[in-house]
Amino acid sequence: GAGVSQSPRYKVAKRGQDVALRCDPISGHVSLFWYQQALGQGPEFLTYFQNEAQLDKSGLPSDRFFAERPEGSVSTLKIQRTQQEDSAVYLCASSLQRQETQYFGPGTRLLVL
Amino acid sequence: GENVEQHPSTLSVQEGDSAVIKCTYSDSASNYFPWYKQELGKRPQLIIDIRSNVGEKKDQRIAVTLNKTAKHFSLHITETQPEDSAVYFCAAKYTDKLIFGTGTRLQVFP
Repeated sequence: GAGVSQSPRYKVAKRGQDVALRCDPISGHVSLFWYQQALGQGPEFLTYFQNEAQLDKSGLPSDRFFAERPEGSVSTLKIQRTQQEDSAVYLCASSLQRQETQYFGPGTRLLVL
Repeated sequence: GENVEQHPSTLSVQEGDSAVIKCTYSDSASNYFPWYKQELGKRPQLIIDIRSNVGEKKDQRIAVTLNKTAKHFSLHITETQPEDSAVYFCAAKYTDKLIFGTGTRLQVFP
C-alpha cells in the first residue's frame, strides 16, 4: 500500500516567513510523529499525536513551531517567522499503534535564507 | 536525559567482509530498538528491530544483538555488498518517541 507522504518535498523560505509542512500518514495509522534532521545528524523528536490528540510536544524547539492533526489523519507542522537555524529536513513517521514500528516519509527539506 | 551513542561514525569495508555498528543507550526503561538505513536524500527505512525480551534477532545477512544489563545493542551485517553502502541509525524507544544515534556511514568497496 501507499507509504507516508510529505509535501512539499523542498521549500525555500526567506527569513521571517511562515511555512506549513504537510504529512499524510499510512491509512489507518493512529500514531504520527514529527522529527527534525539536521545535516549529518540523526532525526530528533519534535512532537507526537495519538489520533488527533497531541500527547507530547517536548521536542518543539520554540513557540514558533506548531503542529496539528485536527481529524486524526493528515498533520501539518507550521513554523512561524522562520530563522536560518530552522533549515533542516523535517521527517514525518506513522505507526499503527503507539508501540508499533514507525514508518518514515521522504521528508521536507527546508532551507531558510 | 535520554541519550543514544553510536560508533563508529564511519566504517569502510571490502565487499564480502562483515560490518559491526555499536550503540549504547541511557534509559533502562527503553524496550524497543530499531535500526534504520538511510541512503542519500531518501527516507530512513527500517531494516531490523529488537525488543527487550529478546537477546538476538537475525534476518538473512543482518543480525541485531541486545545486552540489556550493559545497555548495549549492535548491528551485524555479514557478506557486505556495495548496495549496503548508506548511513545506518540505531534508535531506542523512550516513552513513545525514538531517540536516534548520530549515524554510521558505511562504505562497501567492490
